[in-house]
Amino acid sequence: EIVLTQSPGTLSLSPGERATLSCRASQSVSSSYLAWYQQKPGQAPRLLIYGASSRATGIPDRFSGSGSGTDFTLTISRLEPEDFAVYYCQQYGSFSLTFGGGTKVEIK
Amino acid sequence: QVQLVESGGGVVQPGGSLRLSCAASGFTFSSYGMHWVRQAPGKGLEWVAFIRYDGSNKYYADSVKGRFTISRDNSKNTLYLQMNSLRAEDTAVYYCAKDQGGIQLTFDYWGQGTLVTVSS
Repeated sequence: EIVLTQSPGTLSLSPGERATLSCRASQSVSSSYLAWYQQKPGQAPRLLIYGASSRATGIPDRFSGSGSGTDFTLTISRLEPEDFAVYYCQQYGSFSLTFGGGTKVEIK
Repeated sequence: QVQLVESGGGVVQPGGSLRLSCAASGFTFSSYGMHWVRQAPGKGLEWVAFIRYDGSNKYYADSVKGRFTISRDNSKNTLYLQMNSLRAEDTAVYYCAKDQGGIQLTFDYWGQGTLVTVSS
């Protein structure tokens, strides 16, 4: 099973700032099969990024994903008030799909 | 628009059983794989099971293998999760999620979730 470790656990930033979230895999994720989700309190998660860098339908271009192998990054170029949430990475390179533990982006 | 509505959650004693349902609409249900994902209170996400569009293949997390069974009825546009031998650690909100399709085993639409509590 591929273990995903997200860092930091919490990111305290102000609206308008840049957010950089990390997801590290315990072994290489084949074909960059890595996705990112956003979850707000009391809501279901929302798919943001798949294939490490492709934005899902309707996702603003301030969200971008990068990386390959074992190191992946989600970047939010300028935080909007609605972006404060918990973010999860997920790998699907093997059929034991796994999620990272999450990064909470909170208002500073 | 895509809608996924889960039902069947509730309180059950350890060792008991429960069957969750997920009614799908707004897309061609029989063309897409479907997943169950759960989230324990205050915790992160855990993938539970996947079933291919035609039910031909099913995959499970090790934590539920042998106890949970995923199934679907394409004539009713409904996904199921039969949960047996339930344990306290199975307590969670259970989401059904649509697979994005193609080679992407990602979850592009989610239901609102149904809470399962395993407690005596």
